[in-house]
Amino acid sequence: DIVMTQSPDSLAVSLGERATFNCKSSQSVLSTSNNKNYLAWYQQKPGQPPKVLISWASTRVSGVPDRFSGSGSGTDFTLSITSLQAEDVAVYYCQQYYYTPITFGGGTKVEIK
Amino acid sequence: QVQLVESGGGVVQPGRSLRLSCATSGFSFNTYTMHWVRQAPGKGLEWVALISYDGSNKYYADSVKGRFTISRDNSNNTLYLQMNSLRSEDTAVYYCARVSVEQWQRLWFDYWGQGTLVTVSS
Repeated sequence: DIVMTQSPDSLAVSLGERATFNCKSSQSVLSTSNNKNYLAWYQQKPGQPPKVLISWASTRVSGVPDRFSGSGSGTDFTLSITSLQAEDVAVYYCQQYYYTPITFGGGTKVEIK
Repeated sequence: QVQLVESGGGVVQPGRSLRLSCATSGFSFNTYTMHWVRQAPGKGLEWVALISYDGSNKYYADSVKGRFTISRDNSNNTLYLQMNSLRSEDTAVYYCARVSVEQWQRLWFDYWGQGTLVTVSS
């Protein structure tokens, strides 16, 4: 199974500052046939299901604010939130969808400093 | 609009069975692969199973293989998860989720239900 490792486990950032966190897969999730990284990022707030933010490692899903951005390729990926807002407090998960079983990272909890 | 509504959760003793349902509306259910994902209390997300749009392909996490069965009724737009031989470690909120593109088996999930809590305890 592909292991997705997220770091850090938690992060405290001041309002308006940048938050950056990482996701590493145990095998590459880059497809050589279409040159796409099969990786998504989700945001989960307490008591709610996850909400997808980013697909294909760097494509923002429709309706997601442009302060969210994804980058990376192969095995190393990053989600960044520029100018953190109070409503961004949540747990963020990465997910690989290249292999079965689909696997998620353990999550990064973002809080306000 | 797209809606996914899970039901069937509850408290069950170890070794017993439970059947979850996910009623869907607002989209062409019979053209989308569907998944179950669970989340133990205070823990992360764990993929459980998928079923292709036509029901011909099913895959399971090793942790539930041989005990859980995913199925669907395309005439009633409903997804199911039959859970047998339940264990304490199956305690979780169970979400049904839709794959984002028709007929693809593995992609990101664009719609999720609100989840149903299954508690396995004596």
